[in-house]
Amino acid sequence: QQQVKQSPQSLIVQKGGISIINCAYENTAFDYFPWYQQFPGKGPALLIAIRPDVSEKKEGRFTISFNKSAKQFSLHIMDSQPGDSATYFCAASVISNFGNEKLTFGTGTRLTIIP
Amino acid sequence: GAVVSQHPSRVICKSGTSVKIECRSLDFQATTMFWYRQFPKKSLMLMATSNEGSKATYEQGVEKDKFLINHASLTLSTLTVTSAHPEDSSFYICSAPRPAGGYTDTQYFGPGTRLTVL
Repeated sequence: QQQVKQSPQSLIVQKGGISIINCAYENTAFDYFPWYQQFPGKGPALLIAIRPDVSEKKEGRFTISFNKSAKQFSLHIMDSQPGDSATYFCAASVISNFGNEKLTFGTGTRLTIIP
Repeated sequence: GAVVSQHPSRVICKSGTSVKIECRSLDFQATTMFWYRQFPKKSLMLMATSNEGSKATYEQGVEKDKFLINHASLTLSTLTVTSAHPEDSSFYICSAPRPAGGYTDTQYFGPGTRLTVL
């Protein structure tokens, strides 16, 4: 019930195209859904996050779409650039009165943007 | 700029020795920090939750005596890999939730420590 399933495992997109990565969760108690970007040899960096009270959140070229009834959320990268080539992880956690609880991570998507 | 630092970034040690990795929150206090392990091309595996002023909480299957965690202050947590063996070679990453105002904290990750045990 703690799993977060992520797809695809790898993705190749042409420069200027839209990259889409999908995640699905089972635990209905999850109420915080961040996306992280990780470059080789580096720690993950927070990209964008959403809570279930909204269905979409946009920050620059990055958009999260959230479907609470389907228990799915996705990351869309518009106008994908070679610098976006990285591994992307979705995650989920439960926000409690004590703050952010531990994150459950998806399996990761290796994104490659080709010229 | 970075809000969570780790030291060292890389360490190579001989089998049987112990290695200490530090995780610091740079401009905020963190009563909780998390330690992860990541194998090549794999996701992050949570090892333990480091709690300031109390014992760490370990995930199932993680050996407490092997991976010692000490949350010495509100800005520092350390992970000590004791009697390291080649199978302990991995990328170790810490994270800390930073108050972001509003309804939730934001978890920031350190840059990671690459441990190689010969």
